[in-house]
Amino acid sequence: QDQLVQSGAEMKRPGASVKISCKASGNNFFKSAVHWVRQAPGQRLEWMGWINAGNGNTKFSQKFQGRVILTRDTSAKTAHMEVSSLRSEDTAVYYCAAAYFGSGSYWDWGQGTLVAVSS
Amino acid sequence: QSALTQPASVSGSPGQSITISCTGTGDDVGGDQFVSWNQQRPGEAPKLIIYDVNNRPSGVSNRFSGSKSGNTASLTISGLRTEDEADYYCSSYTGNNHVVFGTGTTVHVL
Repeated sequence: QDQLVQSGAEMKRPGASVKISCKASGNNFFKSAVHWVRQAPGQRLEWMGWINAGNGNTKFSQKFQGRVILTRDTSAKTAHMEVSSLRSEDTAVYYCAAAYFGSGSYWDWGQGTLVAVSS
Repeated sequence: QSALTQPASVSGSPGQSITISCTGTGDDVGGDQFVSWNQQRPGEAPKLIIYDVNNRPSGVSNRFSGSKSGNTASLTISGLRTEDEADYYCSSYTGNNHVVFGTGTTVHVL
C-alpha cells in the first residue's frame, strides 16, 4: 500500500485559513479515497470527510460541511484539505488516511499535522 | 452521526485476554462488514490493526482478533503485553458512506 506524508505543523490566528497536504508515495493514489480525521488534544478521533482521488468527488461530515474544502492534485499524487474561519476549538492534529477501492475498510494513515489556533 | 460507544478503559494483567466492545446502530456497525480497529500510542498516529471486522493487516500480531454480532463489534487482545498499553478506536462506514469513530478505549496493563 502507499505511504502518506503530510505537511508540517501550522500556527494560525482565529479567523484565518489553513491548507494541509498529504502526499502519497505509491501508485494506488488514483484508486483511493483520501479521508481526513482530526483529534483535538486529549479527545477522540473525529471523521471530517473524504475525497475520491480518482474523480474528485467529496463527502463531508455535516459538522464540517461548508467550512472545509478537499482537493487533489493527481499529477503530484497529493490531497489537500483547507479549513477556513479557524477558531481555537480547531486546534488539533489532522490526519489523512487512504482507503483503497476494493479493499474494504483498510486504511493507510499519514503521520499527522498539528494545527494550533491562537491569538 | 453519534460516536460509536466504547468503554472508557479496560485493564488486564500480562498474559491475560481482554475484550473491547464497540456498539453502534444498524446504519453503521450492524449494517455491513466495514468495521476497523486502530491502536494509538501517545504522540503517535493511529495504526490499523483490524479491518473488515476480523482481518489483520500484514505485520500485525495474531494476538489481535475482531468479531461482530448485530450492532456490536469487539476487539480481543490475547496474551496481553505491556506494549499493548494504548488507546484503541473502532470505526465503521455508515449507510451514506460517511465514517464514524468510537469514543475510544484506554487499555491498561497492570
